[in-house]
Amino acid sequence: SYELTQPPSVSVSPGQTASITCSGDKLGDKFVCWYQQRPGQSPVLVIFQDNYRPSGIPERFSGSNSGNTATLTISGTQAMDEADYYCQAWDTTDVGTNTVVFGGGTKLTVL
Amino acid sequence: EVELVQSGAEVKEPGASVKISCKVSGYTRTDYYIHWVQQAPGKGLEWMGLINPEDGEVIYAEKFQGRVSITADTSADTAYVEVSSLRSEDTAVYYCATDPPGVDKFDYWGQGTLVTVSS
Repeated sequence: SYELTQPPSVSVSPGQTASITCSGDKLGDKFVCWYQQRPGQSPVLVIFQDNYRPSGIPERFSGSNSGNTATLTISGTQAMDEADYYCQAWDTTDVGTNTVVFGGGTKLTVL
Repeated sequence: EVELVQSGAEVKEPGASVKISCKVSGYTRTDYYIHWVQQAPGKGLEWMGLINPEDGEVIYAEKFQGRVSITADTSADTAYVEVSSLRSEDTAVYYCATDPPGVDKFDYWGQGTLVTVSS
């Protein structure tokens, strides 16, 4: 089955740029979404189709996807960005069924 | 405003079943998938499956095939997930989320339902 791999944790200083990676075989051939989850809350979509932001998501969130790696970039990181981040993609199984895969999640610490 | 409202927390004994509901309101489109996602305590998100309420098509993740049933009542704009033969590993928060076809994004999420399996 298809797997997405994320680093367990990333640390960043306030105002700096945070980059969270998501790796998978030929991931660049798929669309990737990113979700933010603060403690005790439901996930929130922050990036879809690799690099599009839903309305209401700050411009400091951006995404890219090429080769085997997708990256979520947070520019000018703020304390409120401290959360868990998950990448997600669709996979087509051997029998042609479309299924969803999540990465293991990355805890972003702003310190 | 789009809202996904899930049923309340449940405590079940091992071997029992649980059925969780997810009512969708305010969605401007009439066609959307509903996904179910499991999150065990302190763990990541795990996709369980989806349903297309319009035609009833259901797809399950391999891990959940056989013990999970996803259904929908279009007249009530409500989707359900039922987990049978519960075991302690099923203790988790279960989320529903909407996904407009062709865009492939989980754009709205329910508040989550905590299921605790304990004797």
